Amino acid sequence: DADVTQTPRNRITKTGKRIMLECSQTKGHDRMYWYRQDPGLGLRLIYYSFDVKDINKGEISDGYSVSRQAQAKFSLSLESAIPNQTALYFCATSDAGQGNTGELFFGEGSRLTVL
Amino acid sequence: GQSLEQPSEVTAVEGAIVQINCTYQTSGFYGLSWYQQHDGGAPTFLSYNALDGLEETGRFSSFLSRSDSYGYLLLQELQMKDSASYFCAVRDGANNLFFGTGTRLTVIP
Repeated sequence: DADVTQTPRNRITKTGKRIMLECSQTKGHDRMYWYRQDPGLGLRLIYYSFDVKDINKGEISDGYSVSRQAQAKFSLSLESAIPNQTALYFCATSDAGQGNTGELFFGEGSRLTVL
Repeated sequence: GQSLEQPSEVTAVEGAIVQINCTYQTSGFYGLSWYQQHDGGAPTFLSYNALDGLEETGRFSSFLSRSDSYGYLLLQELQMKDSASYFCAVRDGANNLFFGTGTRLTVIP
């Protein structure tokens, strides 16, 4: 089983619908992240969480919200989806230990299409 | 904020050496990472440089010059499976990573 699991892997929805992307991890990491990937734009940070009570906005948080339900679970919500939120979304985790490389461990991605 | 620049595409011959450059501007810098992503896959970690100099991991090496805000990824003995996108990323003081737009490497026979 994957260490970082995202559901759904693919989703097609309509403008105005509420969408939730879920992420769970078995790595025991405190830090979790949501990134968005668009062709030619690389990965952009949406939200990040350093523990259950710590949620922070990233570069492009407008139109998104998150919930850290437990150390192992971090969900991303689009309250009212719009077509320019069509993208590939990645959840990632990292170890907060000192001296570490900040290596991110990514899930397999959730491809969202908003019509 | 953070700004990273890397070439959008590179093509190289199997068995050759290729260098992918990355320049960055950042308000806080703790290190430069490199990630590989195959089509349809997730990014995977390759290397990390916090200090100036060269880090070697098998066929891959990564270099950092903090004074020049510059780094590169060096891939030696290229193999067809190395065809992928490569991203540099800067790590800020909060341990967040900000990614470049990626370099698509195509290895040809």
